[in-house]
Amino acid sequence: NAGVMQNPRHLVRRRGQEARLRCSPMKGHSHVYWYRQLPEEGLKFMVYLQKENIIDESGMPKERFSAEFPKEGPSILRIQQVVRGDSAAYFCASSQTGGSTEAFFGQGTRLTVV
Amino acid sequence: QQQVKQSPQSLIVQKGGISIINCAYENTAFDYFPWYQQFPGKGPALLIAIRPDVSEKKEGRFTISFNKSAKQFSLHIMDSQPGDSATYFCAASKGNAGNMLTFGGGTRLMVKP
Repeated sequence: NAGVMQNPRHLVRRRGQEARLRCSPMKGHSHVYWYRQLPEEGLKFMVYLQKENIIDESGMPKERFSAEFPKEGPSILRIQQVVRGDSAAYFCASSQTGGSTEAFFGQGTRLTVV
Repeated sequence: QQQVKQSPQSLIVQKGGISIINCAYENTAFDYFPWYQQFPGKGPALLIAIRPDVSEKKEGRFTISFNKSAKQFSLHIMDSQPGDSATYFCAASKGNAGNMLTFGGGTRLMVKP
């Protein structure tokens, strides 16, 4: 009974490169959420997706960031032309329903931009 | 705009003592208040959660106290153990907003043996 799987666990990118972060939700979960955690800070909501739909992206930066959750395969958070300020831990969470219920988090992807 | 304020930022407690972490929120539409525990290098794990229709919820050594009129809630860890040393986050969400959680800034707890 695997939990939320994120990969890679660690990702190093040079400034200007693209970063792709993957998240496979728990079995039976169709709601996925992405959060960003800067060092020594709390998690900040980025985007909420269901299969093939973006439900809420109010926390996503307007440029360079995009997310998808295709019918088949994991959810992808994509960051184009990364900058040093993108260095953070990116967490994915999934839940079974869209209401206020327990959300399970993955172990995160730690992105370092050099 | 930070909608959930958490204090203290760090806390040191002796083994066997009581750890108390407080959170205050602004948005009265919030109706779900979970607490998460995070160890270094790991993702947050749900510890305990409460809804506004009750004022207290207890699970083992962990208790949430909720004050709806004051818009405050707190986590109490009884008989604190060194293994409880971690960062604790309070959070809140609205029923019609799925699990779009608004997190507090976190409290780094250290329990001394």
